[in-house]
Amino acid sequence: NAGVMQNPRHLVRRRGQEARLRCSPMKGHSHVYWYRQLPEEGLKFMVYLQKENIIDESGMPKERFSAEFPKEGPSILRIQQVVRGDSAAYFCASSHPDRRMNTEAFFGQGTRLTVV
Amino acid sequence: DAKTTQPTSMDCAEGRAANLPCNHSTISGNEYVYWYRQIHSQGPQYIIHGLKNNETNEMASLIITEDRKSSTLILPHATLRDTAVYYCIVRVAGSGGSNYKLTFGKGTLLTVNP
Repeated sequence: NAGVMQNPRHLVRRRGQEARLRCSPMKGHSHVYWYRQLPEEGLKFMVYLQKENIIDESGMPKERFSAEFPKEGPSILRIQQVVRGDSAAYFCASSHPDRRMNTEAFFGQGTRLTVV
Repeated sequence: DAKTTQPTSMDCAEGRAANLPCNHSTISGNEYVYWYRQIHSQGPQYIIHGLKNNETNEMASLIITEDRKSSTLILPHATLRDTAVYYCIVRVAGSGGSNYKLTFGKGTLLTVNP
């Protein structure tokens, strides 16, 4: 059973470009969470999605950031017109929807975004 | 979610037990204690969680005091690969709704020395 897969592992973008980060959850998991870790800081929750629905986006910046989790395919975190302050590690986690199962969040290895 | 307090850093000799404390004096009756760790440059890794009984799995043991205001994560035989930041998180269990987001504090940097 493959774990949470994130790609790319490293992404370099110039200021003003768009960054698209992908996350494939573990098999059977339909809940996805995105977290951001700025350099020398802790992980901060960004958004929680279920298939085709955004459940909680209280940690998302108001502008330039969006997330989706379509019926088919991976979850996408999209950052438009990137700025240097967006440079960070972005982690995706997934969990099983059934409370009777192990509903712990399992994290991917992250995407390290560098804006130059 | 209740707030947790952990020491900033700890050292442990390889092969010895590592005991990581966590205070959560404002924990509610329906809140669990979770432990995650983050090895440098990797994603956080779930370790263990518990409500009020002591728990053990292949990675660690979790000892929760009777009043549930503090707990200790025990790595019975620490190895160099256990060097990581360990996070103690208190939250309501189960997925669904905004209860689920994990609030990571600064954690404890455990350094296992040879």
